[in-house]
Amino acid sequence: EPEVTQTPSHQVTQMGQEVILRCVPISNHLYFYWYRQILGQKVEFLVSFYNNEISEKSEIFDDQFSVERPDGSNFTLKIRSTKLEDSAMYFCASSRVAKAIQYFGAGTRLSVL
Amino acid sequence: DAKTTQPNSMESNEEEPVHLPCNHSTISGTDYIHWYRQLPSQGPEYVIHGLTSNVNNRMASLAIAEDRKSSTLILHRATLRDAAVYYCILTTDSWGKLQFGAGTQVVVTP
Repeated sequence: EPEVTQTPSHQVTQMGQEVILRCVPISNHLYFYWYRQILGQKVEFLVSFYNNEISEKSEIFDDQFSVERPDGSNFTLKIRSTKLEDSAMYFCASSRVAKAIQYFGAGTRLSVL
Repeated sequence: DAKTTQPNSMESNEEEPVHLPCNHSTISGTDYIHWYRQLPSQGPEYVIHGLTSNVNNRMASLAIAEDRKSSTLILHRATLRDAAVYYCILTTDSWGKLQFGAGTQVVVTP
């Protein structure tokens, strides 16, 4: 069964450093999402991406965040200058069409020290 | 944004059915009702969804009230692997954004 894969599974970084979280969505999917989950809290929407541009973003997704689909398969989330409060699980998801079933990756645990 | 209300937790014995309620009194006519679950240390996983009619799949059943203001996810025979947080979500957003609440923590005891 096709699946969304995320790398790395765990990323440790120093505050102020840039990180790139990588995702490979399911191949025929057209809509891509990033969510995050701070430990013990609910899953929060960050951004949706369609047709090579951001379709919607949350208040969390400020200028420190960016997304990119650099080639036909990868979908990345970049945090330019990490803060302690960016420590969380980051989940990538994809769907074939909007409002359809979203398939989530296993997540990347980001630890900012 | 349309919101849902779920109990914080529910407990069930293994191989017993589990009925998870969800209230969504502000649902609009085009909103689908989706259920996802999140097993410990994993990403959310789709369970089932519906619009007006009851739905069944290999994982669960979804019973939707006639006025659509509430729904119930039914796990027919709970297993230890079903221990997870279950989220009831209305897909209201045109771009498909999912808005997760706190969900219902299901505990399954052997």
